[in-house]
Amino acid sequence: DAGVIQSPRHEVTEMGQEVTLRCKPISGHNSLFWYRQTMMRGLELLIYFNNNVPIDDSGMPEDRFSAKMPNASFSTLKIQPSEPRDSAVYFCASSNLAGSYEQYFGPGTRLTVT
Amino acid sequence: AQSVTQPDIHITVSEGASLELRCNYSYGATPYLFWYVQSPGQGLQLLLKYFSGDTLVQGIKGFEAEFKRSQSSFNLRKPSVHWSDAAEYFCAVGLNQAGTALIFGKGTTLSVSS
Repeated sequence: DAGVIQSPRHEVTEMGQEVTLRCKPISGHNSLFWYRQTMMRGLELLIYFNNNVPIDDSGMPEDRFSAKMPNASFSTLKIQPSEPRDSAVYFCASSNLAGSYEQYFGPGTRLTVT
Repeated sequence: AQSVTQPDIHITVSEGASLELRCNYSYGATPYLFWYVQSPGQGLQLLLKYFSGDTLVQGIKGFEAEFKRSQSSFNLRKPSVHWSDAAEYFCAVGLNQAGTALIFGKGTTLSVSS
């Protein structure tokens, strides 16, 4: 299995630009999680989906952030407009609702907003 | 609300020495407990998990953890540390319900001295 795939691995953009992060979960997994990691705040849950349906988006910091999961094999996290304080590593993780609940993480996308 | 505390931000251990990383959780029922490891620039990798049964669980890379209900703890141990164990370690707690998010501690950075 290829594991969770995230793209891009690195993104550098200017303040005000739109940023789209992409995630492909492990095949057969039906829960998908987006996390953000910073030195100051550690690992924070942004949003998660079960069977492509958003379950909890209370961690999404502002309306500038949005996430979609149009099908079981793809999800996006969009920031529009981006701000320097959005600079962080964004992780996607997936798990199996019928499994043993552990989450498998992708390699992350390092976002830098200048 | 559930929470996870990792009291030690940074620990330095000599190569070959034993290791114990502390984790305390707050949850009303028996939680699902996890330890993840993150090497620099990488995603999080699952080391071990506890759901029920034997309170001493074995994981990968020679790690083990012991669940102590009376102390609300799930400490990670390794009898002999190798230089390659230098990384950041995260304890996480999950509800005993599929399709729910994990709550992560702030992490403990392990340095290994020669």
